[in-house]
Amino acid sequence: AQTVTQSQPEMSVQEAETVTLSCTYDTSENNYYLFWYKQPPSRQMILVIRQEAYKQQNATENRFSVNFQKAAKSFSLKISDSQLGDTAMYFCAFMGGGTASKLTFGTGTRLQVTL
Amino acid sequence: EPEVTQTPSHQVTQMGQEVILRCVPISNHLYFYWYRQILGQKVEFLVSFYNNEISEKSEIFDDQFSVERPDGSNFTLKIRSTKLEDSAMYFCASSEARTGYGYTFGSGTRLTVV
Repeated sequence: AQTVTQSQPEMSVQEAETVTLSCTYDTSENNYYLFWYKQPPSRQMILVIRQEAYKQQNATENRFSVNFQKAAKSFSLKISDSQLGDTAMYFCAFMGGGTASKLTFGTGTRLQVTL
Repeated sequence: EPEVTQTPSHQVTQMGQEVILRCVPISNHLYFYWYRQILGQKVEFLVSFYNNEISEKSEIFDDQFSVERPDGSNFTLKIRSTKLEDSAMYFCASSEARTGYGYTFGSGTRLTVV
């Protein structure tokens, strides 16, 4: 079974600074997908960024980018120019590339952006 | 932007009662899911649904749970006899394709069993 580990329960960053959230995973599959979801205080789950394992190029969405290291099974999220609205729980998630379509989530990192 | 709609946003029920959580997925999506999040814990997969049948379920999804797509738009999760430990946020999600795409999640239903 796949596992997803987020080793930072809480992090804090000042507005306009850059922060990196860590995620590692374990799988025997070669083709899979990785995601970062944001959960603000409203509890809604919002997709931040998606990475396909067969692509070497790291995904980027505006201020959000990932560092995907397939051999190390690492998938970190970098948030540049942090904004107060980035304050949220961030979940890393894994989806297998075969017949399974379920997401396996990590335990989350609570990010606080301060003035 | 299309949304997944869940109702109610909060439901309080007595232990042993049946509850039905409702979801309206995005209209052109074919795959539907239920997840739950016990307060302060991670999000856990319950069940996936495609072509009017369950395609995968977790060990959490035991006989007290069932899902249904009673018409062309709604997707429901029924908990037959609620227990205190069923208290959680329940998220519905839908996706266009089977794998590889991030889902669109609903805003969740907070279920409180007393």
